[in-house]
Amino acid sequence: RKEVEQDPGPFNVPEGATVAFNCTYSNSASQSFFWYRQDCRKEPKLLMSVYSSGNEDGRFTAQLNRASQYISLLIRDSKLSDSATYLCVGPNYGGSQGNLIFGKGTKLSVKP
Amino acid sequence: NAGVTQTPKFQVLKTGQSMTLQCAQDMNHEYMSWYRQDPGMGLRLIHYSVGAGITDQGEVPNGYNVSRSTTEDFPLRLLSAAPSQTSVYFCASSPRGVAGPLPTGANVLTFGAGSRLTVL
Repeated sequence: RKEVEQDPGPFNVPEGATVAFNCTYSNSASQSFFWYRQDCRKEPKLLMSVYSSGNEDGRFTAQLNRASQYISLLIRDSKLSDSATYLCVGPNYGGSQGNLIFGKGTKLSVKP
Repeated sequence: NAGVTQTPKFQVLKTGQSMTLQCAQDMNHEYMSWYRQDPGMGLRLIHYSVGAGITDQGEVPNGYNVSRSTTEDFPLRLLSAAPSQTSVYFCASSPRGVAGPLPTGANVLTFGAGSRLTVL
């Protein structure tokens, strides 16, 4: 099973809507996660870090649920500019050293 | 602030040819990595390094070699290109590796702009 899994979507929502994405992880020892945003044909860029119970930045809220092993990203008052693919990232402790594993991404389209 | 620089941005190869994708970072990051991104597959880790002289395999290492002779550079080599290696390649670095409690931001990845490779 892949370390990090997320719903690929697409999520099609109207402007102003609230949308939430979930990402499940398999390693209960994982302690830090990230949400990255990727625009079409561009590199991923950090959106938010999730180190403990959660994190909030303006319209964006990320939550970590250790008991159920998932993290979520909530976007309130969606804007057209929020249209992108959102990538969940978590640690993989396999191999000789740890590394970071990406989910496949959830595509969001915000419509007028 | 250059950040992470990848070259070339675009490359077309014939099957069996070799090439090297260059990656350089000027942030003194310990951790560097290479990912490939294919439609429907997300970003998959090819190889990574936690410091000069230390490399390890990721999810999809076959057909690729790496080395880390300096902190700044982490080239990815394709020894004999195959059509299955047609993809977008991203190099990424972070101050530290993964695992365990880390200072905030220590394992936040900074990506290069990507290299689009087509193998005919």
